[in-house]
Amino acid sequence: QSALTQPPSASGSPGQSVTISCTGTSSDVGGYNYVSWYQQHPGKVPKLMIYEVTKRPSGVPDRFSGSKSGNTASLTVSGLQAEDEADYYCISYGGSNSPVVFGGGTKLTVL
Amino acid sequence: QLQLQESGPGLVKPSETLSLTCTVSGGSTSSSSYYWGWIRQPPEKGLEWVGSIYYSGTTYYNPSLKSRVTISVDTSKNQFSLKLSSVTAADTAVYYCARHNAAAFYWGQGILITVSS
Repeated sequence: QSALTQPPSASGSPGQSVTISCTGTSSDVGGYNYVSWYQQHPGKVPKLMIYEVTKRPSGVPDRFSGSKSGNTASLTVSGLQAEDEADYYCISYGGSNSPVVFGGGTKLTVL
Repeated sequence: QLQLQESGPGLVKPSETLSLTCTVSGGSTSSSSYYWGWIRQPPEKGLEWVGSIYYSGTTYYNPSLKSRVTISVDTSKNQFSLKLSSVTAADTAVYYCARHNAAAFYWGQGILITVSS
């Protein structure tokens, strides 16, 4: 079981869009439509932003969107706001023998 | 509404066994199709999955921790537990319990565990 690969950092100016990638394999990201994204502010509990690749829980702004192509999932934040500055983690289902695969996290900075 | 609450000693000595319990309210540990898991986060570092137990009792562990981890569930108390043996300073972290399925995780508030003599 290998971790999902995320860029350590990403940045953008207020109002811009930024995309964070999450690369796995055909055994996890590419094999299932079960990628979720979490936002974590310092000292806080991770918050679910996207589940099942593209779905947004109630209360999450539509500025947040998810997608997938092959073995890479992506989180796009449009119209960046200061409060979007946080760490973002992706998690994928990895099948019945390895149900959880985590990404290493990306620190998003709003310039 | 589902709530998960971690409990345990905040300080553990090196070489000893870390024991944590997660108490579940607003849901049942015997609910079908859910996993009950532990995730940790060392200071200033990323999230790391420790392991999970399926409602059927099957356990899944992070290969890097497998030799030291035991996760169990007590459905009569609606709790599940983590034991991590032979701890070192590297095991110092916030430990989260969570309910999850293939789609998403629902997290507890987390508990800071420090390994120090």
